[in-house]
Amino acid sequence: GQNIDQPTEMTATEGAIVQINCTYQTSGFNGLFWYQQHAGEAPTFLSYNVLDGLEEKGRFSSFLSRSKGYSYLLLKELQMKDSASYLCAVKTGANNLFFGTGTRLTVIP
Amino acid sequence: DVKVTQSSRYLVKRTGEKVFLECVQDMDHENMFWYRQDPGLGLRLIYFSYDVKMKEKGDIPEGYSVSREKKERFSLILESASTNQTSMYLCASSLVGDGDGYTFGSGTRLTVV
Repeated sequence: GQNIDQPTEMTATEGAIVQINCTYQTSGFNGLFWYQQHAGEAPTFLSYNVLDGLEEKGRFSSFLSRSKGYSYLLLKELQMKDSASYLCAVKTGANNLFFGTGTRLTVIP
Repeated sequence: DVKVTQSSRYLVKRTGEKVFLECVQDMDHENMFWYRQDPGLGLRLIYFSYDVKMKEKGDIPEGYSVSREKKERFSLILESASTNQTSMYLCASSLVGDGDGYTFGSGTRLTVV
C-alpha cells in the first residue's frame, strides 16, 4: 500500500519559523511536491524535490531524504497569510501524484 | 490568466441524477486528472487521462466515468449520483514529466441530496 503521513494541525506565531514534516512509503518515487491550499481555494504549487537535499525559494524551503522517506517544508518569517493547509504529494509514476491528507497551519499574532 | 477552468463552483443534484463536471485547460497539457477532496481523507485520484480518448482508473473510480474527446477538455461523469459522492471535486492538468507538478482548477463543491 501507499501512505503519506503529516501532522494534522500546527500553530505558529507571526514572524517565527515552522517546519512541517512529511514521511512517505510509496510503491514508486519520481519526486516530492509541496502545495499550499487556502480554505475554499485550489492547491497551488510551492516546491519540488527529486534529489536529496534542500531547495530554497524565498521564505519557503523544502528538504528531501529519499533513503529515509522523509521531507519537510520550512516556512520562515511567518505571515498571517501563510495560514493555510500544506499538502505533501509524491509522484509515484510517470504522471500521478499521491497526496497526504495535509497539515492545517494557523499563524497567530 | 485563467489556466484550468471548472464549469461550476457549486452544484446541487438529486440522488440518482446523472451529473457532468466539466474541466477545460488552456495550457496544452497532455495529462488531466480528477480528484475528490474530503476532510480527513485528503485528495484522492478518481481518474486520469494522458492523451485524447485515453483514460486510466485512479484509486477510487467506482461510480464515476470520464470522457476526453479533446485535449483541452476532461469531463467527469457521475452515472447515478449518490449522497456519498457529496464532495469537493478538483480537476488538474500537467505536462508529461513536469517538475512543476499540477495546475489545479478552483474546484466544484457538489452536494447530492
